Amino acid sequence: SQELEQSPQSLIVQEGKNLTINCTSSKTLYGLYWYKQKYGEGLIFLMMLQKGGEEKSHEKITAKLDEKKQQSSLHITASQPSHAGIYLCGADPGAQKLVFGQGTRLTINP
Amino acid sequence: GAVVSQHPSRVICKSGTSVKIECRSLDFQATTMFWYRQFPKQSLMLMATSNEGSKATYEQGVEKDKFLINHASLTLSTLTVTSAHPEDSSFYICSAKRGANEKLFFGSGTQLSVL
Repeated sequence: SQELEQSPQSLIVQEGKNLTINCTSSKTLYGLYWYKQKYGEGLIFLMMLQKGGEEKSHEKITAKLDEKKQQSSLHITASQPSHAGIYLCGADPGAQKLVFGQGTRLTINP
Repeated sequence: GAVVSQHPSRVICKSGTSVKIECRSLDFQATTMFWYRQFPKQSLMLMATSNEGSKATYEQGVEKDKFLINHASLTLSTLTVTSAHPEDSSFYICSAKRGANEKLFFGSGTQLSVL
């Protein structure tokens, strides 16, 4: 079965600093999704990557899928308190469903 | 954008009772919906795939008699936690896709507390 490993598991950064979260898959990724969650709430869709080498950006968040399609990174530039939350990467192991990594808990210190 | 509505957002029940959680796709038809469970400070664990008009597909280790799933229409799936016990207390969240190869839209989740 496909497993997703996220690193780091938790991250504390000073407001204004850049940060990167990584997601590594045990198998080739045919679709990689990034979501953000505040615990006890639903998930907010951030990005979907499908092609090796693909990179997408939205506001200050950039996500990349490496050429071999087994790793993705999420980069936040000039972090703000609104970026705080749990970031989850998800992948489709087949059957059109999503399995998730264990999540990265991001804290932004003012 | 597509919206998935989940109800109730929070429920407290006594041990031994059954609890039903509803998941609705508001502006699209979803032949497939997914139910996840999340423990505090942990990731989402896929419980089952809900298929409209047929039986749900459960992930390994998930008790189908404990977590009853019904997908009676293209816009509604329900999860019933039968004979709930304190260990069933968790955050349950549903999701749906508008079509193949599209992103998942998530409900806002249900926090279940079993006393």
